[in-house]
Amino acid sequence: SQTIHQWPATLVQPVGSPLSLECTVEGTSNPNLYWYRQAAGRGLQLLFYSVGIGQISSEVPQNLSASRPQDRQFILSSKKLLLSDSGFYLCAWSPGTPDNSPLHFGNGTRLTVT
Amino acid sequence: AQSVTQPDIHITVSEGASLELRCNYSYGATPYLFWYVQSPGQGLQLLLKYFSGDTLVQGIKGFEAEFKRSQSSFNLRKPSVHWSDAAEYFCAVVRSSKLTFGTGTRLQVTL
Repeated sequence: SQTIHQWPATLVQPVGSPLSLECTVEGTSNPNLYWYRQAAGRGLQLLFYSVGIGQISSEVPQNLSASRPQDRQFILSSKKLLLSDSGFYLCAWSPGTPDNSPLHFGNGTRLTVT
Repeated sequence: AQSVTQPDIHITVSEGASLELRCNYSYGATPYLFWYVQSPGQGLQLLLKYFSGDTLVQGIKGFEAEFKRSQSSFNLRKPSVHWSDAAEYFCAVVRSSKLTFGTGTRLQVTL
């Protein structure tokens, strides 16, 4: 069966520090991968998605970037964190596009920028 | 532009009572619709999905949802709520191969 792992679960970082969140999927190949952010009291905002290695689409201009160095690895990064980057970050995967296959989510990373 | 609206931010029901969570979408064509549930501090779990066919779909944990094109709605229902159903519920719609979520409804269950 397929599983998705996200780490760390919780992170507290000072303003201006770098960020690296990692997500890996097991038990499948060539998944579509997604990063969402959930801010307090708001819905989920799609940040990035990837349909293959090195293929990243950005949905919202921001302080963050994403990379997919391997087929089942998706990394969310920042060179310098802002206070507004605080939130709950969720990685997800799907076997195909959302038009024909639902997304499966990891347990998330709670990021607090101080 | 397509959007998903969940009019109720917070709902409280008694254990054993019935539940209906509202979801409205704005989209010209037949949408692909989903309901997800999120327990505190956790990721999202798929409850059910509608792609086509029967407008009443059954999901996990005793939930069901009905797609009503005339009302642009996809409301989630459960006949008898359990205390473990307390969580946040998200409706979502697909357009242009991207999944867009509503702002969620937080469900509180009283004993």
